[in-house]
Amino acid sequence: QVQLVESGGGLVKPGGSLRLSCAASGFTFSDYYMSWIRQAPGKGLEWVSYISGSGNTIYYADSVKGRFTISRDNAKNSLYLQMNSLTAEDTAVYYCARAPDDLAPGDYWGQGTLVTVSS
Amino acid sequence: QLVLTQSPSASASLGDSVKLTCTLSSGHSSYAIAWHQQQPEKGPRYLMKLNSDGSHSKGDGIPDRFSGSSSGAERYLTISSLQSEDEADYYCQTWGTGIWVFGGGTKLTVL
Repeated sequence: QVQLVESGGGLVKPGGSLRLSCAASGFTFSDYYMSWIRQAPGKGLEWVSYISGSGNTIYYADSVKGRFTISRDNAKNSLYLQMNSLTAEDTAVYYCARAPDDLAPGDYWGQGTLVTVSS
Repeated sequence: QLVLTQSPSASASLGDSVKLTCTLSSGHSSYAIAWHQQQPEKGPRYLMKLNSDGSHSKGDGIPDRFSGSSSGAERYLTISSLQSEDEADYYCQTWGTGIWVFGGGTKLTVL
């Protein structure tokens, strides 16, 4: 069955960096777009970034552009999010999700990993 | 600008039906959306993709109690025979080239 497992969250100081990972299984990873979505405590869902199956197409939300970098390793069935210059506003649970293509919704989600930015 | 609007809360009694609404912004009434359910302390779960003509395709294992419909810029999620585990937050989502957009979510309380 499809599984997405996020890891790498934790406590980081403002201005710091963190790298999140999403391990995928149960499907042909390279056939799917992958996305990161976050949810601040008590708030709704906010899309962060997505990447095509080949890695050639990448988009970011304006709120993270220039600070976050999405990437993938299809040989390892893994998705990544490098987060730099973190601020308190980046505090959230980060979810990865897969989508069949760039004009389709996320059809499987992970359970999330919590990132807390605080001094 | 592509925006989805949802009512913050809804409630209905055990065994009854409830209809949640997601409204697309002006000029985007032809867009498809998706509905996702988020139970407390869990990650979201994809329920269905809903097209502007009301046709929909559900995710794996989604019960028949969940259905979708459309009218103009409005997209609906109807849950019938409400069960306690249906108490959750429900989010609509749409997409365009280079962007995903989520509604603010509706918190459903099952009385």
